[in-house]
Amino acid sequence: DQQVKQNSPSLSVQEGRISILNCDYTNSMFDYFLWYKKYPAEGPTFLISISSIKDKNEDGRFTVFLNKSAKHLSLHIVPSQPGDSAVYFCAASGGSNYKLTFGKGTLLTVNP
Amino acid sequence: DTGVSQDPRHKITKRGQNVTFRCDPISEHNRLYWYRQTLGQGPEFLTYFQNEAQLEKSRLLSDRFSAERPKGSFSTLEIQRTEQGDSAMYLCASSPVAAYTQYFGPGTRLTVL
Repeated sequence: DQQVKQNSPSLSVQEGRISILNCDYTNSMFDYFLWYKKYPAEGPTFLISISSIKDKNEDGRFTVFLNKSAKHLSLHIVPSQPGDSAVYFCAASGGSNYKLTFGKGTLLTVNP
Repeated sequence: DTGVSQDPRHKITKRGQNVTFRCDPISEHNRLYWYRQTLGQGPEFLTYFQNEAQLEKSRLLSDRFSAERPKGSFSTLEIQRTEQGDSAMYLCASSPVAAYTQYFGPGTRLTVL
């Protein structure tokens, strides 16, 4: 069973507009959430994270929102740029091993 | 800071052969993780080390897989008697102890013919 779900396999937006990537989780033990960005033939690159004690974290053009009651988080990218085109993975962690549980990813395409 | 490195980047082997991958973590990081990613999926946890101790292994890690981190620095992942189902990207990540953020290497792409 998938504990972290990214239900949109792909998303296409225009340059300059907002990109919103969504993620749902089922395990209540998760207490930290991360977003990674991945280009083809490269490893995932850490983007932004949020602790379960917060509901929002912002870093430049990237903002992550967490709704614990709904077990839902989202990543907002504003404004979107063509260089943002990549696969975005949502990941969650909980427990002393700090291992990450990933969703299947969303392919974001930002069109010039 | 040179980041996490992995070697080789690509490996093609025939079914039944043994393969070994190497990961060099960020030098001051105590924890080292191995993940496997297949097409259309996110990375899946395989195992992790704190210094030289292997603290957890996923049920995905069959008896044909073994991982070591002999001196608490680099790590190796060996697959014996490879099967076509082992074809995947093998990712290594490292982090300081008690830190959530993991930093990934570029991965080793394994193809089993």
